[in-house]
Amino acid sequence: DAGVTQSPTHLIKTRGQQVTLRCSPKSGHDTVSWYQQALGQGPQFIFQYYEEEERQRGNFPDRFSGHQFPNYSSELNVNALLLGDSALYLCASSFLYWQGDTGELFFGEGSRLTVL
Amino acid sequence: EDKVVQSPLSLVVHEGDTVTLNCSYEVTNFRSLLWYKQEKKAPTFLFMLTSSGIEKKSGRLSSILDKKELFSILNITATQTGDSAVYLCAVPLPSGGSYIPTFGRGTSLIVHP
Repeated sequence: DAGVTQSPTHLIKTRGQQVTLRCSPKSGHDTVSWYQQALGQGPQFIFQYYEEEERQRGNFPDRFSGHQFPNYSSELNVNALLLGDSALYLCASSFLYWQGDTGELFFGEGSRLTVL
Repeated sequence: EDKVVQSPLSLVVHEGDTVTLNCSYEVTNFRSLLWYKQEKKAPTFLFMLTSSGIEKKSGRLSSILDKKELFSILNITATQTGDSAVYLCAVPLPSGGSYIPTFGRGTSLIVHP
């Protein structure tokens, strides 16, 4: 049973470029959340997708956008990259639009983005 | 302001020591509190606490929740070098009719042989 998979694992971009990160949720899960984790910080919530719609959004600018596909996989897009976007981007999956009391979130290994 | 606060931010101990990590939170309509261990990249689930005063145990790790005082502790007894990691606490905070899992900054634990 595959867990949460993310790609790519590492990537380097320059300021102003655009990046797309991908996530496949754990088998049987239908909700995907994206987090940004800067060095020495806890994961910061970006947004959550359920039934192909963005359901919740954290305090991130519109440069951060996403998509969920019918197979529940998801993409995170970041436009006009800034140096401060350098971080580990984590994807977490859960079942039935996680409301906080129905079990754990399963995390992928993350995508390490470096912006030069 | 921070809604989920962990302390200490870092801790260095020797094998065999016992450690206590703290997580305090400010939230209305509390649902749960989750503990995760992050060794390199993917945080891995440790405990989910929903009821006050009921201890969850897994081997040398245990955790308890105090809903009155709004905090949780994670205890690790007889620490081993493999316990070295960042320990994250998360609380679902209400937002727009739903709940957002919100993490603290984590406690970085280093266990020396």
